[in-house]
Amino acid sequence: EDKVVQSPLSLVVHEGDTVTLNCSYEVTNFRSLLWYKQEKKAPTFLFMLTSSGIEKKSGRLSSILDKKELFSILNITATQTGDSAIYLCADTNFGNEKLTFGTGTRLTIIP
Amino acid sequence: NAGVTQTPKFQVLKTGQSMTLQCAQDMNHEYMSWYRQDPGMGLRLIHYSVGAGITDQGEVPNGYNVSRSTTEDFPLRLLSAAPSQTSVYFCASSPGQGGLGYTFGSGTRLTVV
Repeated sequence: EDKVVQSPLSLVVHEGDTVTLNCSYEVTNFRSLLWYKQEKKAPTFLFMLTSSGIEKKSGRLSSILDKKELFSILNITATQTGDSAIYLCADTNFGNEKLTFGTGTRLTIIP
Repeated sequence: NAGVTQTPKFQVLKTGQSMTLQCAQDMNHEYMSWYRQDPGMGLRLIHYSVGAGITDQGEVPNGYNVSRSTTEDFPLRLLSAAPSQTSVYFCASSPGQGGLGYTFGSGTRLTVV
C-alpha cells in the first residue's frame, strides 16, 4: 500500500518568514507527487513533480522532489496571511489514477 | 463548463437513515473518485471508477456503495448512516494524467446524529 507522511502536522509563523513543509512517500511504480493548498473548501492544485520534472516554482512557492530519498519539500518565502491553509501532498503510481494523501500540514501565518 | 458539481453542500442525518450524495462532471473524465476528510486524517479514498460500469473499493469503503452508469455521474450511497460517517466528502474527476487535471468538487459536509 502507498504511504505518504507529512511533517510538521502544524506550523505557526509570522508574516514574512520562510517555511519548509515536508512530504515523504512510499509507492510502488511511482508516477507523480502533487502538492495542494486547501483553505475552506476543496483542495486547489499547486505543483506536480515527476521523474522528469523534479523542481517547480511559482512566485513565492517552490517545490523539489528527491527521487532517491523519496521525499519532497514545499517552500514558501516571504509568507503572507493569505498563505494560511492546510497543505496536502499526494502521490500516484502507474497502476492507476488514485491519489494517496498525507495527513496535511496546517500552516498559520500571524500578521 | 461547471467542472465537478456536488450536492447537497450540507446534510444532517439520523443514525440508520440512508441518503445519496450526488456528483456530476462535465469534462468527459473517465476517472472519478470519492474521498472523505476527517480532522488530522487528510483525504482518504472511499471508492473510485475508471469508467462507466467499472467501480472499485478504496481505502475506507465500508458503509458506502457506488455505481457508475454514465461517464458524467458517480453517486455515493450511504445505506444506513452511522455517527462514524460524519465527515466532509469530496468527489473528484481526472483525465488520467498522473494527477494533472484532477478536479475536486466543493464538498459535502455530512453530520450523522
